[in-house]
Amino acid sequence: GEDVEQSLFLSVREGDSSVINCTYTDSSSTYLYWYKQEPGAGLQLLTYIFSNMDMKQDQRLTVLLNKKDKHLSLRIADTQTGDSAIYFCAETPPYSSASKIIFGSGTRLSIRP
Amino acid sequence: EAQVTQNPRYLITVTGKKLTVTCSQNMNHEYMSWYRQDPGLGLRQIYYSMNVEVTDKGDVPEGYKVSRKEKRNFPLILESPSPNQTSLYFCASSAGRGRNEKLFFGSGTQLSVL
Repeated sequence: GEDVEQSLFLSVREGDSSVINCTYTDSSSTYLYWYKQEPGAGLQLLTYIFSNMDMKQDQRLTVLLNKKDKHLSLRIADTQTGDSAIYFCAETPPYSSASKIIFGSGTRLSIRP
Repeated sequence: EAQVTQNPRYLITVTGKKLTVTCSQNMNHEYMSWYRQDPGLGLRQIYYSMNVEVTDKGDVPEGYKVSRKEKRNFPLILESPSPNQTSLYFCASSAGRGRNEKLFFGSGTQLSVL
């Protein structure tokens, strides 16, 4: 079945770049997402990438997709304290709608001064 | 303001005492869903609804019920809560059935079953 895997923790120094990685198993997934969960809040969609793209950039965020290795990454440039959160990778299987979006376990990003 | 509202934010109860967690969205969304979040397991889908009176099981439906009598509301019902249902619960909604549908999440309900 489908599975999305992420490491649980990442710690970076303020001002450095953060790279959060994710692997997925369904090679036919069409959309892959990054959601952000701030403390005490629900998830918010940060960005998404369509599977025919290799890269998507949006201000400080860069998403890289390696379809051959089924690897998705989120790079946050110039990491700030406000970036402290849990980041979820997610995919939508090809045979279903958003009702079957599959989430990874989340990566908790902490920022060191 | 477009939002998904869950109540209560925190709930402590005892085993076997029926409870309901409410969820309401003001965006006229067709799709609504319930997830539970547990450490190391991410979000797991409990139930979802594609429209009024249309509900379906997610990955972990055991011990839960839902109803969708109105488009805006999607309550989660625990008829006889047990300690393994202690978790953080999220309601979410989206506009429709598109493949790239942004999910809007509520702020969560932290449930503890003693």
